[in-house]
Amino acid sequence: AQTVTQSQPEMSVQEAETVTLSCTYDTSESDYYLFWYKQPPSRQMILVIRQEAYKQQNATENRFSVNFQKAAKSFSLKISDSQLGDAAMYFCAYRVMFLQGAQKLVFGQGTRLTINP
Amino acid sequence: DADVTQTPRNRITKTGKRIMLECSQTKGHDRMYWYRQDPGLGLRLIYYSFDVKDINKGEISDGYSVSRQAQAKFSLSLESAIPNQTALYFCATSETGGYGYTFGSGTRLTVV
Repeated sequence: AQTVTQSQPEMSVQEAETVTLSCTYDTSESDYYLFWYKQPPSRQMILVIRQEAYKQQNATENRFSVNFQKAAKSFSLKISDSQLGDAAMYFCAYRVMFLQGAQKLVFGQGTRLTINP
Repeated sequence: DADVTQTPRNRITKTGKRIMLECSQTKGHDRMYWYRQDPGLGLRLIYYSFDVKDINKGEISDGYSVSRQAQAKFSLSLESAIPNQTALYFCATSETGGYGYTFGSGTRLTVV
């Protein structure tokens, strides 16, 4: 079974600095998708970034980028120039596909990120 | 209006009561899901539905039931609520072959 592990329950960073959140996963599949979701205090789940396993190039969305190491099954999120609005819980997730075309997301435990002004 | 709407936003109920959490969507997606979020555990899948006639148990379905009344509506029921069902509950949708979910804004349920 696929599992996702986030080993950092909490992280903090100074505003304008860079922070990296860690995520590892376990799978026997060769083609899959990985995601990072952000959950601010409003509790809305917001998709931050997505990585397709067959793509060697790391995904980037503005100040957010990933370091995808397929062999190591590692998928870390880097936030550059941290802003106060980045403070949130961040979840790493792995997509499991079913034959019927539905998908299931398996989530990590989450990392709470605090931004210090 | 939100694409995925959950009601109520917050609810406090007593042990032993039956409670229903509702979810409706305007995305036109066939796939719908219920998750619960607990501190330190992330989100765990309770039930999922491929379409109106196809409902499946997730990892933690004990104590819960669901009803898919229409393509757009997927309700979660707690037949006899207990305190360890206190959690944040999310409904989500996805399209066939799509990437990731569209989430509702969650229902915070407290069982006292």
